[in-house]
Amino acid sequence: AQSVAQPEDQVNVAEGNPLTVKCTYSVSGNPYLFWYVQYPNRGLQFLLKYITGDNLVKGSYGFEAEFNKSQTSFHLKKPSALVSDSALYFCAVRDPRDSNYQLIWGAGTKLIIKP
Amino acid sequence: DAGVIQSPRHEVTEMGQEVTLRCKPISGHNSLFWYRQTMMRGLELLIYFNNNVPIDDSGMPEDRFSAKMPNASFSTLKIQPSEPRDSAVYFCASSPPNRGVTEAFFGQGTRLTVV
Repeated sequence: AQSVAQPEDQVNVAEGNPLTVKCTYSVSGNPYLFWYVQYPNRGLQFLLKYITGDNLVKGSYGFEAEFNKSQTSFHLKKPSALVSDSALYFCAVRDPRDSNYQLIWGAGTKLIIKP
Repeated sequence: DAGVIQSPRHEVTEMGQEVTLRCKPISGHNSLFWYRQTMMRGLELLIYFNNNVPIDDSGMPEDRFSAKMPNASFSTLKIQPSEPRDSAVYFCASSPPNRGVTEAFFGQGTRLTVV
């Protein structure tokens, strides 16, 4: 079955340190991969996506993610964390062969950046 | 563009009452999604419309839930009768017609509390 795993419920990082939020997926073929962020009492906002091409993609707010096909991973990274990055982060995957193009969502990872 | 617009932002109702949530997708988008978010279950897809037609409603929890999309610019999610366990944040999202390579755009959500 197709699935997305975010193995960490919560990630704690000190401000200024690099951060990584992990995502692995189980979708055969060449999936489309997405990261979204949700700030408190807000809707989900798109951060970045991988469709094809360069495995390293850059997105909003200084975030980037690397697609690793052999490890079926799409980890979200940022070189230097800000307190304002504290939020809930969701990874999602879409199977291009799915005619409905529906997104499969991870459970979310709460990122806490401490000053 | 104003983005996906949901109303109301907050709704408090008594058990047994009918609740109607509303969504206006982004103009030109032909896919519309209703999601429910709770602490226990995370983000759940309830129903998905494509070109105003319900494609997948397997996520609708019970017959008490119904959704309509009478035209390309409006959708409703109705719960009748409502129950306390329906308390959650309900999100509407839309995406444009391009074979799944673009992201979904989320509204700010409706926080429903059933007492």
